[in-house]
Amino acid sequence: GAVVSQHPSRVICKSGTSVKIECRSLDFQATTMFWYRQFPKQSLMLMATSNEGSKATYEQGVEKDKFLINHASLTLSTLTVTSAHPEDSSFYICSAREGAGDEKLFFGSGTQLSVL
Amino acid sequence: SQQGEEDPQALSIQEGENATMNCSYKTSINNLQWYRQNSGRGLVHLILIRSNEREKHSGRLRVTLDTSKKSSSLLITASRAADTASYFCATDRTGRRALTFGSGTRLQVQP
Repeated sequence: GAVVSQHPSRVICKSGTSVKIECRSLDFQATTMFWYRQFPKQSLMLMATSNEGSKATYEQGVEKDKFLINHASLTLSTLTVTSAHPEDSSFYICSAREGAGDEKLFFGSGTQLSVL
Repeated sequence: SQQGEEDPQALSIQEGENATMNCSYKTSINNLQWYRQNSGRGLVHLILIRSNEREKHSGRLRVTLDTSKKSSSLLITASRAADTASYFCATDRTGRRALTFGSGTRLQVQP
């Protein structure tokens, strides 16, 4: 199946710093990628849909200026958590479909963000 | 927002037993999918069932879908310790490209 690579897997940072998370489709092109957030022992909540070459679509309640998404190529989407605070500590996961008509999602391995 | 709920929230069984997880959802769907997540990792797709299907099998997995009740179940037969993970249902809704995930069931299979 398709492979989605996410990096870094874990990051610890100080409050006020910005953190960039990369999501790459390794063996396919993804015009759309999805960013989810997951708190411990909870479900995945969709944050935004990343669209190659255009602006991301954010879910209600997700701050666009806080969570910057860039999808500059067909194989790379980045999520930047700006001025991170302890409440931003969470598990962030990206995903993509292999083809436009594909129904299932392929997921990256996730990034555990801890803000001190 | 979450599409629905799963139950049980947690399930502990012995190796060799069957595990059944249920999922309920709220809106019309194109298909429903089940994913597995090992602790601290990404999700892996297990099986997909379309809205016009009632039952589907894949190896030790059996999925049912009742669109009138807006519910689905995942049965894992002859469970193994390696099946220990969290299991999530996800719905593919008309007009929405992203999947919406249920609350998940944490399965513990005791060796």
